[in-house]
Parts: sequence; C-alpha cells; structure tokens
Amino acid sequence: GDSVTQMEGPVTLSEEAFLTINCTYTATGYPSLFWYVQYPGEGLQLLLKATKADDKGSNKGFEATYRKETTSFHLEKGSVQVSDSAVYFCALSGIAGRRALTFGSGTRLQVQP
Amino acid sequence: EAGVAQSPRYKIIEKRQSVAFWCNPISGHATLYWYQQILGQGPKLLIQFQNNGVVDDSQLPKDRFSAERLKGVDSTLKIQPAKLEDSAVYLCASSMEYEQYFGPGTRLTVT
Repeated sequence: GDSVTQMEGPVTLSEEAFLTINCTYTATGYPSLFWYVQYPGEGLQLLLKATKADDKGSNKGFEATYRKETTSFHLEKGSVQVSDSAVYFCALSGIAGRRALTFGSGTRLQVQP
Repeated sequence: EAGVAQSPRYKIIEKRQSVAFWCNPISGHATLYWYQQILGQGPKLLIQFQNNGVVDDSQLPKDRFSAERLKGVDSTLKIQPAKLEDSAVYLCASSMEYEQYFGPGTRLTVT
C-alpha cells in the first residue's frame, strides 16, 4: 500500500538557518504530494502541494519539488523564523478517485532565536 | 468562509464506555473524512464519505467504531465500547477537490 517516510525530529535550528526536511514515498501510479503544518494548539493546515512530477509547490518561503525519479518531496526554506516552529507532515493522495491522505509520522521543528 | 467544525473539543471517558463525535464540514464540500491521530504519529484515515455514501472504510475497526453522514452534510463518529488504545485526536476534514480542510479535532482520553 501507499506509505510516506519522513525524517525523525525534533529538528532544532537557529533563526535564519536553512531548513530541509526529507520526505520519500511509495505509491502506485502518480499521487499528489502535500506538506501540512500543525502549529502549537492549532489544527492541520495545508502548506503546499504538487500534483505532478517536477512541479514545485511553494508558500510562505517554503518550497518542495515533486521528484518522481527519487520518489521524494523534500521541504526546504532558506531562512527559518521562530514562528516556523511547528510539526510538519508530508502526505500523499492516492489515485483512482481515492483522495484520502496518507501521512508521514511528522517532523517537529524548533527554531531558536 | 466558516471552517470545519467539530465537537466536543475534549472528552475523557472510562474504558468500555461509549462516545460520539460530531463534524460539520465546509458548506458545499461533498467529501468528508475522519482521521485518527495517535500522539507522535501522523493522522490515519478511518472513513471517507462522498455525499452520504461510504467510499473507504477499510481501516475502520467496525467491531467498535461506526460512522454516518446523514443527508450528506454533518457526520457522527461513534466508539462503543472504547479501549485504552483509542486515546487519540479525531480529526474531521472536508474537501471539494484535492485540498482537504481540517477541523480542530476532538482529543479523546480513555482511562
């Protein structure tokens, strides 16, 4: 079945550091890929998405590129802020009309001032 | 635009008791999902509705969990009887196309 693997956290960075959170997936066909973010005390929010190979999703300075050849969708940001501290989830949405999300286990990011 | 509403926000029950959660999706969203998120893990799909029909309930423990979506709008998820391992956050989401919008969740503690 479909699965998503992302790097374990917590990831602790200083403000303005470069962020990479790795995500790889296993799926049949051509899934859509997503990054969701969960800020402390808040619900899950869509951060960015990519629906086909080589697409780049971007939002709030975060980027991720759908790499079919490496089955990856790594999340990057050039300069993190304290306000980026949250849990980040990589997810995929399957094919054939099944749009339920399969999530990774989440990566907690802590940004220190 | 109002978001996905869920209630209650928190619930504490003893094992073997029953509990029900309610979800009101975003107006016009035909697809509704219930996910279970155990502490430290990603959400896991329990059931997916398209209007008032079930699309996928393959991961729903049907001996104790049930869900319905009457009239294709609101939905209720029930657990009867609850077990300790049901302690989790229960998330409701709705979508029109690919983007799913999540509610704040109901945190269930089974003691």
